[in-house]
Amino acid sequence: QQPVQSPQAVILREGEDAVINCSSSKALYSVHWYRQKHGEAPVFLMILLKGGEQKGHEKISASFNEKKQQSSLYLTASQLSYSGTYFCGTADRGGSNYKLTFGKGTLLTVNP
Amino acid sequence: DGGITQSPKYLFRKEGQNVTLSCEQNLNHDAMYWYRQDPGQGLRLIYYSQIVNDFQKGDIAEGYSVSREKKESFPLTVTSAQKNPTAFYLCASSVTRDIRNQPQHFGDGTRLSIL
Repeated sequence: QQPVQSPQAVILREGEDAVINCSSSKALYSVHWYRQKHGEAPVFLMILLKGGEQKGHEKISASFNEKKQQSSLYLTASQLSYSGTYFCGTADRGGSNYKLTFGKGTLLTVNP
Repeated sequence: DGGITQSPKYLFRKEGQNVTLSCEQNLNHDAMYWYRQDPGQGLRLIYYSQIVNDFQKGDIAEGYSVSREKKESFPLTVTSAQKNPTAFYLCASSVTRDIRNQPQHFGDGTRLSIL
């Protein structure tokens, strides 16, 4: 079952902040975040492991609440280059293997 | 430079035809994956392989087949049984099978359309 991302789309002006949420009904081992520009490959941003960890990458950071099975991605002082579709991927156990299940994505548009 | 190479970039399939999408990696990664991407649907897992000569079905394996005869290569065949093959196909890899704490690296994708 795919994790649920919200909002589906958000439009910002350069310099504004945004939060993208990702929630799952399954017990999670980790949460991954990727960004994809139109027609290109997804690019890895960060992985959040268990323990309420918060990580940062440039002006993009994220948190992971394993009890609530939720993660949030925080984009501060957005830049034009932040535009794209953001996907969360949740790592859960399928039999003896772990696999990544992606959400449907959040389209972020940053305007001048 | 190390990376994942997918070919062709664009592919057209006729009715009743099988087509094969190529994925090659020179990252020395053990695990490889195939995803299908449709507008508004995110990435959905078709097949994945964690070691040579072994692979598992993902969430939407029907109408697809794969092989993993070499560590570097993980081709995907879209068979005639896949009635709606039009999509963007992405190949990915990771260092090991344990995807919990390591990123996936993606190729640039193949866009498949029906003639």
